[in-house]
Amino acid sequence: AQSVTQPDIHITVSEGASLELRCNYSYGATPYLFWYVQSPGQGLQLLLKYFSGDTLVQGIKGFEAEFKRSQSSFNLRKPSVHWSDAAEYFCAVGVGRASGSARQLTFGSGTQLTVLP
Amino acid sequence: DTEVTQTPKHLVMGMTNKKSLKCEQHMGHRAMYWYKQKAKKPPELMFVYSYEKLSINESVPSRFSPECPNSSLLNLHLHALQPEDSALYLCASSQDLGAREQYFGPGTRLTVT
Repeated sequence: AQSVTQPDIHITVSEGASLELRCNYSYGATPYLFWYVQSPGQGLQLLLKYFSGDTLVQGIKGFEAEFKRSQSSFNLRKPSVHWSDAAEYFCAVGVGRASGSARQLTFGSGTQLTVLP
Repeated sequence: DTEVTQTPKHLVMGMTNKKSLKCEQHMGHRAMYWYKQKAKKPPELMFVYSYEKLSINESVPSRFSPECPNSSLLNLHLHALQPEDSALYLCASSQDLGAREQYFGPGTRLTVT
C-alpha cells in the first residue's frame, strides 16, 4: 500500500531564513504529488502539484518543490520565510485504489511550521 | 468558478440532535468526497460519490449518512453523534473518480457537546 512520510513533526525557523520541508512516499509507480497548507481552523490550500515533466515545480506564495524519483521524495522549499507562513503543511500523493478506477489522496502526518520574528 | 463551498462554517450540536452539513460545487465535477480531520492530524477519507452514487464508504459509522441529491450538491446528515466526532469536515470534488486533482472546500468545524 502507498504511504507518505513527513519526518519532521515540527520545524522552527526565523523570519527571512530558508525552509525545506521533507516528504517521502512509497509507491510502485510515479504518483501525483501535492503540497497543501492549512492555517489554524481553516481548510486546505493547494500550494503546488506535480504530475509529470519538469521535476522542479513552482507554486503559490513563493514555494517550490522538487521531485526526486531516485529518493522517492518531494521536498518543499522556500528561500525566505515570512511570518505568515506559519501553518501546518501536508504532503499528499494521489494513487489509484486497488479496487476499481478511483484515485485517492493519501496524506502525510503533517509538519507544523513556527516562524520566529 | 473553481470553488467548493461548505455550510455552515461552524456547527455545535448535542448528542441527540440531527443536523446536516452541505457542500456545493459548480465546476461540473462528477465525483465528490467527504473527509474528516481531527486536530493536528491529516484528513481521512469517509465517503466518495461518483455520478451521484455512493462509490466508497470507508467503514464509517451509520450515525453519518451521506446524500448526493444532484451532481452539484453533497450532504452529510448527522445523528446521535459522540463528542469524539468533533472535527473539521472537509468536502472535495474532482472531475471524476480517476481525476488527478481534488478541489477542497473550507470545511465545517463541528463540535459535539
